[in-house]
Amino acid sequence: QVQLQESGPGLVKPSETLSLTCTVSGASITSYYWNWIRQPPGKGLEWIGYIHYTGTTSYNPSLKSRVTMSVDTSKNQFSLKLSSVTAADTAVYYCASTVQYWGQGTLVTVSS
Amino acid sequence: EIVLTQSPGSLSLSPGERATLSCRASQSVTSNYLAWYQQKPGQAPRLLIYGASSRATGIPDRFSGSGSGTDFTLTISRLEPEDFAVYYCQQYGRSPWPFGQGTRVEIK
Repeated sequence: QVQLQESGPGLVKPSETLSLTCTVSGASITSYYWNWIRQPPGKGLEWIGYIHYTGTTSYNPSLKSRVTMSVDTSKNQFSLKLSSVTAADTAVYYCASTVQYWGQGTLVTVSS
Repeated sequence: EIVLTQSPGSLSLSPGERATLSCRASQSVTSNYLAWYQQKPGQAPRLLIYGASSRATGIPDRFSGSGSGTDFTLTISRLEPEDFAVYYCQQYGRSPWPFGQGTRVEIK
């Protein structure tokens, strides 16, 4: 059974960097492309980007200048960094495989 | 960059009725790599359909996907009470992999 679990701070100050990690169990990180998706309160889903275990990445053009993704194959984890955050970055952040498997999501609030 | 447009924005139907949801892409979706998800309040999205027409594991056969190229449809043949939710499409054939804005299926 494949499970994904997001972890990281639930509160980030404006202008700082949001950092989240997704731990994958039940599947190898060498399978699939690994995605980050977010959902602001009451709004739709926004794809942030993906990373492959080889290091290949693709980011949403609207966020590309602020996003960095990385993967740690030894820990079966992948990570997201989003810099210079503002209140508009407040959202539930999900990690997911290519379409199939999703984490439960973690709410990140940007506030001083 | 492909843009996905879902219609209608919301749908008001009764249990037992048929629901037809549309997802239109601004460019052809490579290899029909188009997925549909269901999301209920407070939950993560759940994969229903991948590859435009293949049902995910455990998804009831009242859910079906069809279409190719730029026009895709999710059909729920007979709505059950648990089907009232928001539905999203996503293309994953060519990066970036955007979602549509969603269709809310409400109880009439």
